[in-house]
Amino acid sequence: DTAVSQTPKYLVTQMGNDKSIKCEQNLGHDTMYWYKQDSKKFLKIMFSYNNKELIINETVPNRFSPKSPDKAHLNLHINSLELGDSAVYFCASRMLAGGELFFGEGSRLTVL
Amino acid sequence: ILNVEQSPQSLHVQEGDSTNFTCSFPSSNFYALHWYRWETAKSPEALFVMTLNGDEKKKGRISATLNTKEGYSYLYIKGSQPEDSATYLCAHHNNAGNMLTFGGGTRLMVKP
Repeated sequence: DTAVSQTPKYLVTQMGNDKSIKCEQNLGHDTMYWYKQDSKKFLKIMFSYNNKELIINETVPNRFSPKSPDKAHLNLHINSLELGDSAVYFCASRMLAGGELFFGEGSRLTVL
Repeated sequence: ILNVEQSPQSLHVQEGDSTNFTCSFPSSNFYALHWYRWETAKSPEALFVMTLNGDEKKKGRISATLNTKEGYSYLYIKGSQPEDSATYLCAHHNNAGNMLTFGGGTRLMVKP
């Protein structure tokens, strides 16, 4: 069973649309993250959720919103998609503060 | 150092060569330093989580050292094999919360 799973794996959409990427972890972890792999292949942190509480929110446009229905899920909603949103988005989770991250396989978003 | 920096950006070695890379990070407010291995078309997987100054960790032919006072960590690979080809990421965890900041990675290519 996949520990951290993201859906969809690939998403192609038009500018201006609203889309969501889902993430689920079956590891019983308390903290989940969303990272964006930028054009230079850097992993940039977007959000972190700990027990349904947003504890990090980087300088991310407010078109991006994380939603966590329970501690096993952290979904990423994006409104009014722009060309620059095209990237690979990675979900990750971990149990202990400072402990290793477990990553999903990534979701490649292409905005046309 | 305000960011996490890795060098070199890329490295080509012959099978059997030993190699090492550097990760530099802010030495203040240090909590942990992570190393991840990221193969193409896969997701990053943790190699080491290091917390103590002078820490040395080893996993097979791969080892890492940590100097928190001067803010650097080295990753060593002994007798590189083609299957070691991957991007090696380090990530700095400060003590201000759940922030985990990644470096740009070192891309290693091992030629048979």
